[in-house]
Amino acid sequence: EVQMVESGGGLVQPGGSLRLSCAASGFTFSSYEMNWVRQAPGKGLEWVSYIGHSGSTLYYTDSVKGRFTISRDNAKNSLYLQMNGLRAEDTAVYYCARSASLNYLDSWGQGTLVTVSS
Amino acid sequence: DVQMTQSPSFVSASVGDRVTITCRASQGISNSLAWYQQKPGKAPKLVIYAASSLQSGVPSRFRGTGYGTDFTLTISSLQPEDFATYYCQRANIFTPTFGGGTKVEIK
Repeated sequence: EVQMVESGGGLVQPGGSLRLSCAASGFTFSSYEMNWVRQAPGKGLEWVSYIGHSGSTLYYTDSVKGRFTISRDNAKNSLYLQMNGLRAEDTAVYYCARSASLNYLDSWGQGTLVTVSS
Repeated sequence: DVQMTQSPSFVSASVGDRVTITCRASQGISNSLAWYQQKPGKAPKLVIYAASSLQSGVPSRFRGTGYGTDFTLTISSLQPEDFATYYCQRANIFTPTFGGGTKVEIK
């Protein structure tokens, strides 16, 4: 069974940092492109970042460029999102999502809540 | 950047009703469109990919159509488990974009 479990969310002050993790199981993690997608409370879905199979191809939405870094460890079947310089507008549930192909997101984790507040 | 616009934002419908949701892309995107269903407190679930292909395990009452800039998701006979928010997404790009969502509510 395909499963992805996010962790690392929590309450952080503006300007602070958090590292999110997504532990994948039930599929050959290294064969799939991965994404982070977030959802602010009561709002819609917003794509955040993409990483290719090997980790060498990276993309970010404009609002997080220079602050967030996506990475992966295929040996550990894990995806990461290092978030620095956090702002109130980064408050959201963060989901890791697997790309079946062409960035159709066919499997999602349950999400981890990040709250940026003083 | 291509913008994805969904309409309506809310639909009030009854069990058994036919429901149609529209998604419009600001530029042509071929058939590179997905639809997702999201229930409160849950992760989104892929329903349709490549504009009209039904994801494995999704009931056949869901149907996607469209090409270029105009797309629709139709639920032929609404079931209790279909009440949710639906999002379209431009795919086939490293930087996908989502529509604003359509909430299907019980009348």
